[in-house]
Amino acid sequence: GQNIDQPTEMTATEGAIVQINCTYQTSGFNGLFWYQQHAGEAPTFLSYNVLDGLEEKGRFSSFLSRSKGYSYLLLKELQMKDSASYLCAVADGNYQLIWGAGTKLIIKP
Amino acid sequence: GAVVSQHPSRVICKSGTSVKIECRSLDFQATTMFWYRQFPKQSLMLMATSNEGSKATYEQGVEKDKFLINHASLTLSTLTVTSAHPEDSSFYICSARDGDSAETQYFGPGTRLLVL
Repeated sequence: GQNIDQPTEMTATEGAIVQINCTYQTSGFNGLFWYQQHAGEAPTFLSYNVLDGLEEKGRFSSFLSRSKGYSYLLLKELQMKDSASYLCAVADGNYQLIWGAGTKLIIKP
Repeated sequence: GAVVSQHPSRVICKSGTSVKIECRSLDFQATTMFWYRQFPKQSLMLMATSNEGSKATYEQGVEKDKFLINHASLTLSTLTVTSAHPEDSSFYICSARDGDSAETQYFGPGTRLLVL
């Protein structure tokens, strides 16, 4: 079957760095997405990786290793507003998005 | 980035009534739109995939006669919850795939439905 795994919850300190991991097993692969979702709101797009390597976008970076079925989202210089759930999703061979359950990130002052 | 709107943002209705939710892509044409449901503290659950001009594809366990989807144009899809019951109360979110960029889905702001 198809499966996405990510930690349920993580805690980090304001100003620090946090890495959220995601592992996947899918039928086919057409890219991996990271979305941010604040409580009570819809997800917003953060990043898309389809080739191996690191994609950097401001304070956020996303890494992909297709051979390992692994990705991570790296958040630097954490701010209180970064407290949210971070969703990992993989587009399978039919471009259907398979969603992880999300990682709730708690930022402490 | 691409913008997707949803209307209404919040609706309260009586049990047994029907509710229509609209999803629009504002600055791009969306050949494919998706409808999700999310219960509190749970992950997104895909309900159906809507393709312009054709019937929607429903996920297993989703009743097509209860959740009517119409994708009449490249910028509009509607979800109608028919004969709503309290257990249908949820956060309904649509997303749209930009036809020129087949990968990324952009989400609407969501509709919070409360059935009394």
